[in-house]
Amino acid sequence: DAGVIQSPRHEVTEMGQEVTLRCKPISGHNSLFWYRQTMMRGLELLIYFNNNVPIDDSGMPEDRFSAKMPNASFSTLKIQPSEPRDSAVYFCASSLQGPDTQYFGPGTRLTVL
Amino acid sequence: DAKTTQPPSMDCAEGRAANLPCNHSTISGNEYVYWYRQIHSQGPQYIIHGLKNNETNEMASLIITEDRKSSTLILPHATLRDTAVYYCIVRGSNYKLTFGKGTLLTVNP
Repeated sequence: DAGVIQSPRHEVTEMGQEVTLRCKPISGHNSLFWYRQTMMRGLELLIYFNNNVPIDDSGMPEDRFSAKMPNASFSTLKIQPSEPRDSAVYFCASSLQGPDTQYFGPGTRLTVL
Repeated sequence: DAKTTQPPSMDCAEGRAANLPCNHSTISGNEYVYWYRQIHSQGPQYIIHGLKNNETNEMASLIITEDRKSSTLILPHATLRDTAVYYCIVRGSNYKLTFGKGTLLTVNP
């Protein structure tokens, strides 16, 4: 298996622009997670999907952030409009089911100028 | 979920065993101990997890004390590629993984 796939690996954009991050979970996994990692706050959970349905989005920082999972093999995290403080590494992870072991993708490094 | 305490950093000589401690004195009976590591600029990598018994896989061994208040991750023959931040996480039956600051393990030649 190729593992969790994320794209792009690096994104540089200007403040105010829309940013879309993409994730393909491991085939057969029913749960998907989006995390954000910064030096200040460490690794924090943004949102959790189970069977394509958002279960917990309490970690989403504000309305500028939105996430979708239209099918079992694809999810997006969108930031609109982006701000410099959104600069971070965003990770996607998947698991067979929620409580099972999570496997992480390589991350997307986002820089908002 | 119970809180964990890890030393901020440790050193280990290449080829020697690396023993990474973790304290989790408030762990509940149904909570698992998970270990992940994060090599620089990569995503966290699952290593091993356990409930009560010691566990071993191809990457590492996990030793959990009888009272379950602490555990040790053992990398039997550390290599330079094992240099990473190691996270000890206590997790119940829900989906949440709460990452702390972890231990930066530096393997020296």
